[in-house]
Amino acid sequence: AIQMTQSPSSLSASVGDRVTITCRASQGIRNDLNWYQQKPGEAPKLLIYASFNLQPGVPSRFRGNGAGTDFTLTISRLQPEDLATYYCLQDHHYPRTFGQGTKVEVQ
Amino acid sequence: QVQLQESGAGRVKPSETLSLTCTVSGGSVSSGDYYWSWIRQSPERGLEWIGYIYDRGSSNYNPSFESRVSISVDTSRNQFSLRLTSVTAADTAVYYCATDPIDQRSFDVWGQGTLVTVSS
Repeated sequence: AIQMTQSPSSLSASVGDRVTITCRASQGIRNDLNWYQQKPGEAPKLLIYASFNLQPGVPSRFRGNGAGTDFTLTISRLQPEDLATYYCLQDHHYPRTFGQGTKVEVQ
Repeated sequence: QVQLQESGAGRVKPSETLSLTCTVSGGSVSSGDYYWSWIRQSPERGLEWIGYIYDRGSSNYNPSFESRVSISVDTSRNQFSLRLTSVTAADTAVYYCATDPIDQRSFDVWGQGTLVTVSS
């Protein structure tokens, strides 16, 4: 199975900061990478699919990038409601596999 | 917009079978538009894709579960179901059903999740 490694595992940032989360695949996955946001007590929510495509309704401050093995999720101006854990998911090969998550705290 | 709701036993004894159902509204399990999927989440293992069923019969399972898992669909009730046999404490998790669109490979709609605890 393809292993997905996220970094950092957690971060703390201030409102208005730019935040970047990295996801690395154990082998090339083209651009078959999605990003999810999970708030406490809720199901994950799709933010970005196919590396850089914003899911309808998701604020434009979220941006995805990357291809092959290295991907990033950037929040351009962090907002208080962005407090959550963020996960990457590869859909290049079955079994689909998730990263271990990055917990974002807002100072 | 499709909506999903999980239901089933919240507690299962070790060695027994976990059974959950996902009720679909706002769409049809017969539509052919989605892979109807199950995913689980635990603090120890994180998010794990379990498998999917498509168009009544075609299915695909995570090899980590393959010998224990089956997913089926009931078109008359617009539901799909998960069965996981021979459970252990390691199967304690929040179980989610989700849609995976055929034309956009992503889990775009999720149920709220249901906690299943394996305990005697």
